[in-house]
Amino acid sequence: DIQMTQSPSYLSASVGDRVTITCRASQSISDYLNWYQQKPGKAPKLLIYVASSLQSGVPSRFSGSGSGTDFTLTISSLQPEDFATYYCQQSYSTPWTFGQGTKVEIK
Amino acid sequence: EVQLAESGGGLVQPGGSLRLSCAASGFTFRNYWMHWVRQVPGKGLVWVSRINSDGSSTSYADSVKGRFTISRDNAKNTLYLQMNSLRAEDTALYYCARATIGSYAIDYWGQGTLVTVSS
Repeated sequence: DIQMTQSPSYLSASVGDRVTITCRASQSISDYLNWYQQKPGKAPKLLIYVASSLQSGVPSRFSGSGSGTDFTLTISSLQPEDFATYYCQQSYSTPWTFGQGTKVEIK
Repeated sequence: EVQLAESGGGLVQPGGSLRLSCAASGFTFRNYWMHWVRQVPGKGLVWVSRINSDGSSTSYADSVKGRFTISRDNAKNTLYLQMNSLRAEDTALYYCARATIGSYAIDYWGQGTLVTVSS
């Protein structure tokens, strides 16, 4: 199975900050990497698919990059509604696997 | 509007069985691959299983292989997860989810149904 490792696991930031979350795969997954946002008590929401494509309706302050084994989710200017947990997920091969999550909290 | 509504969760004893259902609406169900993903409250997301659009191909996480069966009824726009030989570690919120065309991501999720395995 492909292991996905996110860093950091926890991030404290202020409104307006630029935030970067990293995801590393245990083997090359080309660009089959997705990012999801989950708020407490809610289902996950797709933000970025195939590494860098913005899902319809997602604000442009979210962006993704990377290929192979190393990927990044960037929030250019953190907004109050962005405080949530973020997960990366590979769809290169089954079983699909998720990172452990990065919780973004208010500083 | 795409909607996925799970049902069938509940409390079951270890070794017991449950069948989860997911009623889909707002899209052409027969065209999409579907997935089940679970989450222990307060913990991370874990992929469980997927099925292709006509039901001819399935895949499972090792942790559920041989115990869970994913299926679908395209005439009823419904996805199923038959869960047998349940264990305490299967306790989780189970999400029904739709894959994107091309099946490279999950673009819609249900709200989940809670399964609790306990004596």
